[in-house]
Amino acid sequence: AQTVTQSQPEMSVQEAETVTLSCTYDTSESDYYLFWYKQPPSRQMILVIRQEAYKQQNATENRFSVNFQKAAKSFSLKISDSQLGDAAMYFCAYRRIFQGAQKLVFGQGTRLTINP
Amino acid sequence: DVKVTQSSRYLVKRTGEKVFLECVQDMDHENMFWYRQDPGLGLRLIYFSYDVKMKEKGDIPEGYSVSREKKERFSLILESASTNQTSMYLCASSVFGQGAKDTQYFGPGTRLTVL
Repeated sequence: AQTVTQSQPEMSVQEAETVTLSCTYDTSESDYYLFWYKQPPSRQMILVIRQEAYKQQNATENRFSVNFQKAAKSFSLKISDSQLGDAAMYFCAYRRIFQGAQKLVFGQGTRLTINP
Repeated sequence: DVKVTQSSRYLVKRTGEKVFLECVQDMDHENMFWYRQDPGLGLRLIYFSYDVKMKEKGDIPEGYSVSREKKERFSLILESASTNQTSMYLCASSVFGQGAKDTQYFGPGTRLTVL
C-alpha cells in the first residue's frame, strides 16, 4: 500500500520570506500523481499544485513550486514571498494513475504559520 | 465554481445515536468521497462512490455506512455513534477519469462530537 509522510507537524516563516514543506512517499508504481492541498482555518480545502510523475519538469503555480525527486520519492512544496493568507494546514497527497475513482492517500499535514 | 456543501458545520450527538451526515455537490460529478480528519493522522478515506447506488470501502469503513440514491448526494451514516468517532468529517467530489486535472473538490467539513 502507498503511504505519504509529512515529517514537519508545524512550520513558521516570516512574511515575505520563503518556506519549504517536506513530503515523502512510498510506492512501487512508476506512474502516479502527487498533490499539495491547502486547508485555511475554518475554510474549505483547496488544491495548490499537482505533479504528474512522468513529467520531469517541476510544477509551478505563481508563488508555489515543487521540488519533485522521483528516485528519492520526495515531493516538497516551496512557497516564495510568503503572505499572511498562506497560513493554513498543508497536506501532501498521492494518487495512482490508473484508477478511475481517484482515491487519494494523504500525509499527516503541516501547519504553516506566517509571522508578520 | 464547483460547490460541495455539507448539512452541518457542527454536530453534537450522544453515544448510541444514529447519525446522518449529508453532502451535496452541484457539478454533476460521478465520484464522491467521505474522509475523516484527525490531528496527526491527516485525512483517511472512509467510503467512496463512483456512481449512483455504487459504493466501495476506503481505509477505515468500520462503524460507518453510506448511501447514494442520487448522483448529487452522498450520505455518511453512523449506525450507533461512539466517542471514538468524534472527528472532522470532510466530503469531496470529482469527475470520473484518470487525468490529474480531475481534482477533488472538498466541502467545508462537519465537526462531530459524540458525548
